[in-house]
Amino acid sequence: EPEVTQTPSHQVTQMGQEVILRCVPISNHLYFYWYRQILGQKVEFLVSFYNNEISEKSEIFDDQFSVERPDGSNFTLKIRSTKLEDSAMYFCASSDWEKREPRDTQYFGPGTRLTVL
Amino acid sequence: RKEVEQDPGPFNVPEGATVAFNCTYSNSASQSFFWYRQDCRKEPKLLMSVYSSGNEDGRFTAQLNRASQYISLLIRDSKLSDSATYLCVVNIDTGRRALTFGSGTRLQVQP
Repeated sequence: EPEVTQTPSHQVTQMGQEVILRCVPISNHLYFYWYRQILGQKVEFLVSFYNNEISEKSEIFDDQFSVERPDGSNFTLKIRSTKLEDSAMYFCASSDWEKREPRDTQYFGPGTRLTVL
Repeated sequence: RKEVEQDPGPFNVPEGATVAFNCTYSNSASQSFFWYRQDCRKEPKLLMSVYSSGNEDGRFTAQLNRASQYISLLIRDSKLSDSATYLCVVNIDTGRRALTFGSGTRLQVQP
């Protein structure tokens, strides 16, 4: 069964450093997403991406964040200058437009645990 | 009012029991509804979508009540492997794809 993959599984970085989290969405999916989950809290939407551009973003997704699809398979999340509060699990998800309801079922990758020291 | 609200639990039930989880959502225009399951420190995994007419998948039954803005999940014949956090997930706004998650209900099935 096709699945979303993410690398690395765990990333440790110093405050102020840049990190890039990588995702390979399911191959025939057209919509890509990043979510995050701070330890003990609920999953929160960050950004969605379609047709090589951001289609929507949350208040969390400020100028420190960016997303890119550098080639036909990878989807990346970059945090330019990490803060302590960026420590969280980051999940990538992908979906396709389905012919029947519900049209937009999102499948999640295993996540990257980001620890900012 | 929270956008998606769930009882955090935990629900401690013996193997073989039937357990029900409820969820309410705030936006009456919400379009799509899902139950995901999340094991400790793992990704959310789709358990089932929730259709307007209600739907069943083996031991799991989901119901949607749009008038009351209420979703439920029923698990029959609980197994030890059902122990997890169950996330109520809603696509809140028409035209948006972002999913809004509840905080989850923790289930512990005991032998």
